Amino acid sequence: SQQGEEDPQALSIQEGENATMNCSYKTSINNLQWYRQNSGRGLVHLILIRSNEREKHSGRLRVTLDTSKKSSSLLITASRAADTASYFCATAGGGGNKLTFGTGTQLKVEL
Amino acid sequence: GAVVSQHPSRVICKSGTSVKIECRSLDFQATTMFWYRQFPKKSLMLMATSNEGSKATYEQGVEKDKFLINHASLTLSTLTVTSAHPEDSSFYICSAARSQGNQPQHFGDGTRLSIL
Repeated sequence: SQQGEEDPQALSIQEGENATMNCSYKTSINNLQWYRQNSGRGLVHLILIRSNEREKHSGRLRVTLDTSKKSSSLLITASRAADTASYFCATAGGGGNKLTFGTGTQLKVEL
Repeated sequence: GAVVSQHPSRVICKSGTSVKIECRSLDFQATTMFWYRQFPKKSLMLMATSNEGSKATYEQGVEKDKFLINHASLTLSTLTVTSAHPEDSSFYICSAARSQGNQPQHFGDGTRLSIL
C-alpha cells in the first residue's frame, strides 16, 4: 500500500501559536484518522473523521477533510510545549480496520 | 488507561536469537490485531494482520517465516522475530480496534528491538 504524504515534515512554533499539518492520500477511504506519537512510544488516537464528514472538532483540535482533493488538515490551536510530538494521519478503506499511515509531521512547540 | 498492552518494551540480544513480542487487548476482544514496524523518524509500516484462529495476512515484502505471528486467543497476538539479525533492529508496534468499521486503533507502547 502506498503511504500518504504529510507536510510539513517538521514544524517549529512558539507556545500559543497555531499549528497546521496537512495530509494527502491516494485511494478512496472510509475514514481518516489522526494520531500523535511521543518519542519512543506508541500512538495515541486524536480524531477520526468519516468520508462523509467535512470538519470535526475536539478540544483544541480541528480536522478538515476534502475527499475531492484527497486531503485533510489538522489544526492545533493555542499550542503548548506538551503538544511537541509527531503527528500522523492514517486512512482506512475497504471493510476492515487496516490503516495506511502518512509520513508524519514532527511538531516542536517552544516556550 | 492503556487498552492494549505490549511486552516487552525493550529487548537487546545477540544475533541469531529469536525474540517473542506479546500484544494484549486488556478490556475487549480483538479478532484482528495489526503489527507495524517503525524506523527512526519514519512512519509506521504495516507488516501483517493477525487474525484470531487463522493464519496471519502478511504485507508484500514481509517474510512470514521470519516474522511468525500467532493469534491463539481473542486477547493475545504474538510476533516472533526468528533468528534475528542486526537489520531486524527496529521499533515494533501492535494495535487493535474494539470492533470493525469506523473505529480508531488502540496502540501498544511499542517494543524497541536491538540486535547486537
